[in-house]
Amino acid sequence: GAVVSQHPSRVICKSGTSVKIECRSLDFQATTMFWYRQFPKKSLMLMATSNEGSKATYEQGVEKDKFLINHASLTLSTLTVTSAHPEDSSFYICSAPIPGYEQFFGPGTRLTVL
Amino acid sequence: AQSVAQPEDQVNVAEGNPLTVKCTYSVSGNPYLFWYVQYPNRGLQFLLKYITGDNLVKGSYGFEAEFNKSQTSFHLKKPSALVSDSALYFCAVRKTEGRRALTFGSGTRLQVQP
Repeated sequence: GAVVSQHPSRVICKSGTSVKIECRSLDFQATTMFWYRQFPKKSLMLMATSNEGSKATYEQGVEKDKFLINHASLTLSTLTVTSAHPEDSSFYICSAPIPGYEQFFGPGTRLTVL
Repeated sequence: AQSVAQPEDQVNVAEGNPLTVKCTYSVSGNPYLFWYVQYPNRGLQFLLKYITGDNLVKGSYGFEAEFNKSQTSFHLKKPSALVSDSALYFCAVRKTEGRRALTFGSGTRLQVQP
């Protein structure tokens, strides 16, 4: 079946630094990928839609200058958390839709900002 | 706007007993409905989907769900629960037309006791 990978799985960084998270579709091409954020004991909130070859579409309330998204190829999207602060600590999950209506999700990245 | 409600934060059931995890949705037009399961610090795993056709949908690991249009519900069921079914379950919806991003419910933690 379709596989989506994320790297890194866990990252700890100091406040003020930037962190890049990669999302890859391993055996299929994804012109669109989605980035979600999950707070502890909470649901997944859509942050943005990553579009290959064009700008990402951000959800209301998500700072595009803080959460930079680049869809570099048909198999790779990256999320960069710039000037990270402790409140950015969260579990970030990407997904890619495939024909057949469902989406496949990456394993997630746990970001901890000290 | 579309939304999903999972009214129970947690469901407790004894191993071998049937389980039900409730989900209701709100969407304009016809919905695509999904159930995903999440294990600790992991991404989401697809369980099943309703697109069209039979209201009773069978999915992975013995799970099934029944689409009820009049009640706008899509409850997840399993005839006999296993301890290994203990996890966090998410119901999700998207419209049949337009954006493919999912809207998730708040999640229900299933605890199966031996």
